[in-house]
Amino acid sequence: NAGVTQTPKFQVLKTGQSMTLQCAQDMNHEYMSWYRQDPGMGLRLIHYSVGAGITDQGEVPNGYNVSRSTTEDFPLRLLSAAPSQTSVYFCASLGGSGELFFGEGSRLTVL
Amino acid sequence: AQSVTQPDIHITVSEGASLELRCNYSYGATPYLFWYVQSPGQGLQLLLKYFSGDTLVQGIKGFEAEFKRSQSSFNLRKPSVHWSDAAEYFCAVGPFPWVVFGNEKLTFGTGTRLTIIP
Repeated sequence: NAGVTQTPKFQVLKTGQSMTLQCAQDMNHEYMSWYRQDPGMGLRLIHYSVGAGITDQGEVPNGYNVSRSTTEDFPLRLLSAAPSQTSVYFCASLGGSGELFFGEGSRLTVL
Repeated sequence: AQSVTQPDIHITVSEGASLELRCNYSYGATPYLFWYVQSPGQGLQLLLKYFSGDTLVQGIKGFEAEFKRSQSSFNLRKPSVHWSDAAEYFCAVGPFPWVVFGNEKLTFGTGTRLTIIP
């Protein structure tokens, strides 16, 4: 059982480039979410989804897009990368016991 | 708005010593409280959670936490730390997790980094 899988683990972008962070879970969880983690700021919610075809904004959605075409996948798209988006990104899915299951993270650097 | 405060950014303890990590929260309704641990280079893993009932909850790896409504606190404790406990610890508060109302979400604290010295 792989849990939550994120790719890539590391990425360097130039300002203005676009990219997609992939997230897949094999636990059949309806709820999935994306967080960013910055020093001294904890985890902040970017976007979330309560099921296939349904997405909504979190606390810091600007500059990011998401879609949820299947239960398993929840990609995060950076439309035009900015240095302020340098961060560690975590995908998480919610289990029935109230536990969030996190991926190992994707470290993004925008130059 | 809900908030979580972890007043200690960094704590250093000796191996075998006891540990207490502080967490204070602000939440308008009945809080649901969590502690997560993040080892270096890894994602977060749930240590324990409090929904209702006994205010002293046991978690994995020998950790426990006590919910004190009067003090709005949910401090994490361990009687004797091991070198493998070195990590960052996050407290979180939120609504009943799979019922999302409007903008209510799970709010994380800024974390406490734990260093263990031999």
